[in-house]
Amino acid sequence: DAKTTQPNSMESNEEEPVHLPCNHSTISGTDYIHWYRQLPSQGPEYVIHGLTSNVNNRMASLAIAEDRKSSTLILHRATLRDAAVYYCILRDYTDKLIFGTGTRLQVFP
Amino acid sequence: ETGVTQTPRHLVMGMTNKKSLKCEQHLGHNAMYWYKQSAKKPLELMFVYSLEERVENNSVPSRFSPECPNSSHLFLHLHTLQPEDSALYLCASSPTTGVAGELFFGEGSRLTVL
Repeated sequence: DAKTTQPNSMESNEEEPVHLPCNHSTISGTDYIHWYRQLPSQGPEYVIHGLTSNVNNRMASLAIAEDRKSSTLILHRATLRDAAVYYCILRDYTDKLIFGTGTRLQVFP
Repeated sequence: ETGVTQTPRHLVMGMTNKKSLKCEQHLGHNAMYWYKQSAKKPLELMFVYSLEERVENNSVPSRFSPECPNSSHLFLHLHTLQPEDSALYLCASSPTTGVAGELFFGEGSRLTVL
């Protein structure tokens, strides 16, 4: 299974942009890059996904490197409600969604 | 509210008990999943069902027995569990299995085995 590497934790102030990095150097050509987040005492929540091109939705943006070996989740203006564990996941043709340990994001007022 | 409902939210059971976890979705999805989340460990995929057929069994001990009677319901039957099985059990659904779909997770069932 392809693996991802993320920093254990990151901090941000409210209203500032946050860039959450993810390395996936063993990604294969058909793997999709998914991001989920998990708030305390809740199940994971879908954030965004992409294959090759950068993606935007109402929650975040996903910037994918040209060689696809890394990606960055961008929260344009962090709020206190964005404090969560963010998971970068590669989803392959076998449909496995293999979670790593994620990045714990702290947001300060 | 994701549309995936899990019951019970909390369960305490002894090692000799038999209990079941229930998951329900009315999103019209065809795929359902069980994940296990232990303290300080990544989520572990346990079972995948597509159109009520099990398509993935991730080397899970036989004391965990899944059942998918229809595409809206998924059960996890538990018997003779061990204390190390204490964890948060998460159910998820997606429109289909496949690389691009989004998973919708329930809030989980917190299981404690005494």
